[in-house]
Amino acid sequence: EAQVTQNPRYLITVTGKKLTVTCSQNMNHEYMSWYRQDPGLGLRQIYYSMNVEVTDKGDVPEGYKVSRKEKRNFPLILESPSPNQTSLYFCASSLSRGRTGELFFGEGSRLTVL
Amino acid sequence: GDSVTQMEGPVTLSEEAFLTINCTYTATGYPSLFWYVQYPGEGLQLLLKATKADDKGSNKGFEATYRKETTSFHLEKGSVQVSDSAVYFCALSEGGATNKLIFGTGTLLAVQP
Repeated sequence: EAQVTQNPRYLITVTGKKLTVTCSQNMNHEYMSWYRQDPGLGLRQIYYSMNVEVTDKGDVPEGYKVSRKEKRNFPLILESPSPNQTSLYFCASSLSRGRTGELFFGEGSRLTVL
Repeated sequence: GDSVTQMEGPVTLSEEAFLTINCTYTATGYPSLFWYVQYPGEGLQLLLKATKADDKGSNKGFEATYRKETTSFHLEKGSVQVSDSAVYFCALSEGGATNKLIFGTGTLLAVQP
């Protein structure tokens, strides 16, 4: 089954404790991206990757890191989480980089930073 | 910059009622337009899309027409069901190097039996 898998789905952590949210897709997609969803703000792009070893900042990259060592994986790293990073995070992937490309989303990871 | 504005929710309807969720956009070029749906506890799924002016996207009884003259992409369904209860997001993509989707804030639809 074609899917984007994120882990963990739920996490409660404390300020400053490094964490990683993993994302894996089995569709051989070149393009992957991370979004955060906050009430009243919709979804905002954090980082994206057009292919292996190619990553770039989205609209809200502060406090986040990513890596793309393999085509299927695109982990999101919070080196020193803060309460303002409490949010619902989505990983997404796409085969096409064109304007018609459909994004496939994971089920989301709800992060709470105390 | 590019942006998407959609109507505030929640929208509460009775089963079999007619649905309209308004969406307007601002873009410098000729974007593709999308509606995504998010069911409770799930990720977003593409509902329909349109890639050029006057195109109509349709799926599962939902429709939306790309109106360049009014910069709109309103979502409609003639008869909603309880199973349509979800959050609906309007989005645009200029394509290019980033393939970034710009989302509206989402509209919660609650359909009552």
